[in-house]
Parts: sequence; C-alpha cells; structure tokens
Amino acid sequence: AQSVTQPDIHITVSEGASLELRCNYSYGATPYLFWYVQSPGQGLQLLLKYFSGDTLVQGIKGFEAEFKRSQSSFNLRKPSVHWSDAAEYFCAVSKRGGGNKLTFGTGTQLKVEL
Amino acid sequence: GAVVSQHPSWVICKSGTSVKIECRSLDFQATTMFWYRQFPKQSLMLMATSNEGSKATYEQGVEKDKFLINHASLTLSTLTVTSAHPEDSSFYICSASLAGDGTDTQYFGPGTRLTVL
Repeated sequence: AQSVTQPDIHITVSEGASLELRCNYSYGATPYLFWYVQSPGQGLQLLLKYFSGDTLVQGIKGFEAEFKRSQSSFNLRKPSVHWSDAAEYFCAVSKRGGGNKLTFGTGTQLKVEL
Repeated sequence: GAVVSQHPSWVICKSGTSVKIECRSLDFQATTMFWYRQFPKQSLMLMATSNEGSKATYEQGVEKDKFLINHASLTLSTLTVTSAHPEDSSFYICSASLAGDGTDTQYFGPGTRLTVL
C-alpha cells in the first residue's frame, strides 16, 4: 500500500534561516506529488505540485521542492524563512490516473523563532 | 482561481440533531469533491469521494448512513452528519478537483468546526 512519511513532527528555525522539510513516499510508480500548508483552524493551501518534467518545482511564497526518484523523496525548501511561514505542512501523493485520491503524510509543524 | 468555500465555518449543535455542511467551488467546475475529517494535531482522514450525479464512495470504516453526502451539481457538495454525537465533533474539510484538469490537484475549503454538545 502507498504511504507517505514526514519524519519530522516538529521543526523550529530562526527567521531568515533556510528550511528543508522532508517527505518520502512508498509507491509502485512515480505518483503525483504535492505540498500543502495549513494555518491554525484553516483549510489547506496548495504550495506546489510535481507531475512530470523538471524535478525542481517552484511554488508560491518562495517555496520550492525537488523530486528525487532514486530516493523516493520530495523535500520542500525555502532559502529564508519568514515568521508568517509558521504553520503545519503536509506532503501528499496521488496515484497517476488513480481517481485523485490523496494520501497525506502526518505533517510537520514549523515554528519560527524571531 | 480555484477557490473552494465551506459553510458554515463553525457550528455547535445538540446531541441527536443533524447538521449540514456545504462545500462550493466558486470559480470552477468540480467533477469530484472529497470530504475529510481532521482531529487535533493530526493529518487529514479521507471520509468519502463524491462525483457529481452519482453516489459517494466511502472509505472503509466510515458510516455512510451517518455521513450523508450529496453532490447535486458541479459546484456544490453537502455533508450531513445525522444524529450527531459528541464523538462526531471534529474539523471537517472538503476539497474539489478541477474538471478536465487531469492533474489530480485538489483545492481545499477552509474547513468547518463541528462541536456536538
């Protein structure tokens, strides 16, 4: 069965520091890959997605993610974190042609220290 | 673009009553809508998938008679929690997939906080 692992439950970084959130997946074939962000009490906002082509994907709010097939990873990065980036981040995957069902990771809570 | 709304944003009800939550895609047509449940500090749990004009597909362990889903149009899906009990208190989130997009991207609503007294 497919699964998504976000090994870091909590991450704390200082404002202005770089950020990398890890995501690994287990799938039979390369799935569609997504990163979502959720602020407290809010729904999820799509940060970026990977379907094919360039393995480095640019998203909103200065985020990017790199798909590495050999490592089954899709890590999210940001060169300089802002205090407003504090939120919960979810990695998700869906099977190509599989009817859109998303499998979510357990999430990573990001705290930003001023 | 790709905005999804939910109504209400929060609701408090008495045990035994039914509550309806609406999910609308505001600026696009959604062939498929999804309903999720999220417990505090946890990930999203898919409850059901609904396609316009057909019956919803429920995930294992989700009671379809308790969580009634209707997808009457390409822009509206509703979730009705019937005979609600305190254990149904949760954060319910819907999402919608853009018709013809072919990329499986889901756009999420802001969520509905349900509290059953």
